[in-house]
Amino acid sequence: DIQMTQSPSSVSASVGDRVTITCRASQVISTWLGWYQQKPGKAPKLLIYAASSLQSGVPSRFSGSESETDFTLTISSLQPEDSATYYCQQANNFPLTFGGGTKVEIK
Amino acid sequence: QAQLQESGPGLLRPSETLSLTCTVSGASIMNYHWSWIRQSPGKGLEWIGYIYYSGSSDYNPSLKSRVTMSVDTSKSQFCLKMNSVTAADTAVYYCARAVAAGYWFFDLWGRGSLVTVSS
Repeated sequence: DIQMTQSPSSVSASVGDRVTITCRASQVISTWLGWYQQKPGKAPKLLIYAASSLQSGVPSRFSGSESETDFTLTISSLQPEDSATYYCQQANNFPLTFGGGTKVEIK
Repeated sequence: QAQLQESGPGLLRPSETLSLTCTVSGASIMNYHWSWIRQSPGKGLEWIGYIYYSGSSDYNPSLKSRVTMSVDTSKSQFCLKMNSVTAADTAVYYCARAVAAGYWFFDLWGRGSLVTVSS
């Protein structure tokens, strides 16, 4: 199975800050990487697919990038409603696997 | 507006069979791949497997021996069965839709169904 390692496990930042979350794949997955946002008691919501494509309806302050096996989710200007846990997911091989999550809190 | 809704028993005894149904509304069940994903505090998000509207399927090898999925296009429903459950199967179970064939990202999710396994 492909292991997805996210860092940091949690981050606390102020409104307006730039926040970066990293996900590393245990092997090459090309651009088959997605990012999800999950709020307490809710299902995950797709933000980014294919490493850098913004899902319809998602604010443009969210962006994704890749460099070989390292992937980054950036929130350019953190908003109060961005408080959530973020997960990466590889879609290159079965079984599909997720990262352990990064909790983003607002200071 | 497309929606998914999970349904099924919330409490099981060890060794029983978990049975969940996902009802698709506001969207066609045809031409999409449908998955089950679970989330537990101990193991995070875990993909269980998928079923296509035609009935073809594939499962996570870690669960393959205990899992069966089926689809009923006439009812716009697909189902998950997992036998011989243990406490380790306690989780919130989500049904979800893959964006498109070959694009294994999930753009539509149900609200989730909490399944607790306890004696």
